[in-house]
Amino acid sequence: NAGVTQTPKFQVLKTGQSMTLQCAQDMNHEYMSWYRQDPGMGLRLIHYSVGAGITDQGEVPNGYNVSRSTTEDFPLRLLSAAPSQTSVYFCASRHPTNDEQFFGPGTRLTVL
Amino acid sequence: AQTVTQSQPEMSVQEAETVTLSCTYDTSENNYYLFWYKQPPSRQMILVIRQEAYKQQNATENRFSVNFQKAAKSFSLKISDSQLGDTAMYFCAFMKHYDMRFGAGTRLTVKP
Repeated sequence: NAGVTQTPKFQVLKTGQSMTLQCAQDMNHEYMSWYRQDPGMGLRLIHYSVGAGITDQGEVPNGYNVSRSTTEDFPLRLLSAAPSQTSVYFCASRHPTNDEQFFGPGTRLTVL
Repeated sequence: AQTVTQSQPEMSVQEAETVTLSCTYDTSENNYYLFWYKQPPSRQMILVIRQEAYKQQNATENRFSVNFQKAAKSFSLKISDSQLGDTAMYFCAFMKHYDMRFGAGTRLTVKP
């Protein structure tokens, strides 16, 4: 099992550009989520999904869109990047019975 | 909304000694989960230990144990026989349903 994979590992954008952070898991987990991690702060929940076709907002959803067309994939879209979105982004999936979250390796995003 | 507070931004301990990391949280919920995650310099989030709020017995995982005080809303992590590989950021997290909140983290350094 590859677990949770994220691409790219690093990305630099200019203000106003758009991009999609990719996330995939091969554990057949229904629940997936996206977090951002900023210096001096813990991870904050951006969006989550409880299954294909179902998404909802987390603590800090503004500026981000998600969709869930398959169980495996959960991409995060930045429609118009802003410097405030400079952060490390983590994708995670959750085991259905013991609630353990499995995190991807993260994407470091810099918006200039 | 739930909040998680880690009051120790940085801590250090000598190799083979014991260290305790503090965590408090604020919630009106009765059933929830609590976690400690480790984040080494590789940035990978690694689950250290989990506790279900309805269980009175404190969770243990090898050298890691927790002191869960539900009434005081306290969830501290004790690391025994500290090893150099324990050097990392440690995050306390609270989870209820689909909402997961993290503390700001404690940077632990194990000194030889």
